[in-house]
Amino acid sequence: GQQVMQIPQYQHVQEGEDFTTYCNSSTTLSNIQWYKQRPGGHPVFLIQLVKSGEVKKQKRLTFQFGEAKKNSSLHITATQTTDVGTYFCAPSGSARQLTFGSGTQLTVLP
Amino acid sequence: DAGVIQSPRHEVTEMGQEVTLRCKPISGHNSLFWYRQTMMRGLELLIYFNNNVPIDDSGMPEDRFSAKMPNASFSTLKIQPSEPRDSAVYFCASSLTRTGTNEKLFFGSGTQLSVL
Repeated sequence: GQQVMQIPQYQHVQEGEDFTTYCNSSTTLSNIQWYKQRPGGHPVFLIQLVKSGEVKKQKRLTFQFGEAKKNSSLHITATQTTDVGTYFCAPSGSARQLTFGSGTQLTVLP
Repeated sequence: DAGVIQSPRHEVTEMGQEVTLRCKPISGHNSLFWYRQTMMRGLELLIYFNNNVPIDDSGMPEDRFSAKMPNASFSTLKIQPSEPRDSAVYFCASSLTRTGTNEKLFFGSGTQLSVL
């Protein structure tokens, strides 16, 4: 599978602050998916990005795919305690298998 | 839809014992994935089936691990003999894969395996 680096590994924010996690690849990606895993839970699909420069929004979440399709980001505006969890990017390659980044563990302090 | 169903939810066993994890994918999905999650190694893809055929098992740690998918509605992951370093959460996921696209994965609740 394609390897990606996800940063930061951990992020603590005060409730109401913004949060961003980045996913970087040394190779061009076909597409990229984002998942959220709550503590003690399983990964849940959030979104898939396919096009170069694509930007998608889901309420307070904004997802971007870089112009060169080598990086992606997830930005959360005005975090809430319900945003707590680990966010994973998962680039998918031609083999049609998904390998996951190391994840960013978000803690939101009330 | 019941989602992806895994059993058991928790398994505690002793080193050397055989462990079998089970998965029922979502009806109609044609791809099935087994992942292992640990603090140290994160979420690792072990094996991937498409239309019940193993496509890529390069992530399977060693010969002690084996996976089967006898039909479209059932898969097993077996560890024999088990070792303490196999302790992890094992997730099964399924998706509907169409030609040229990667569809989203639906994960089961996982099996927490502890090998003493």
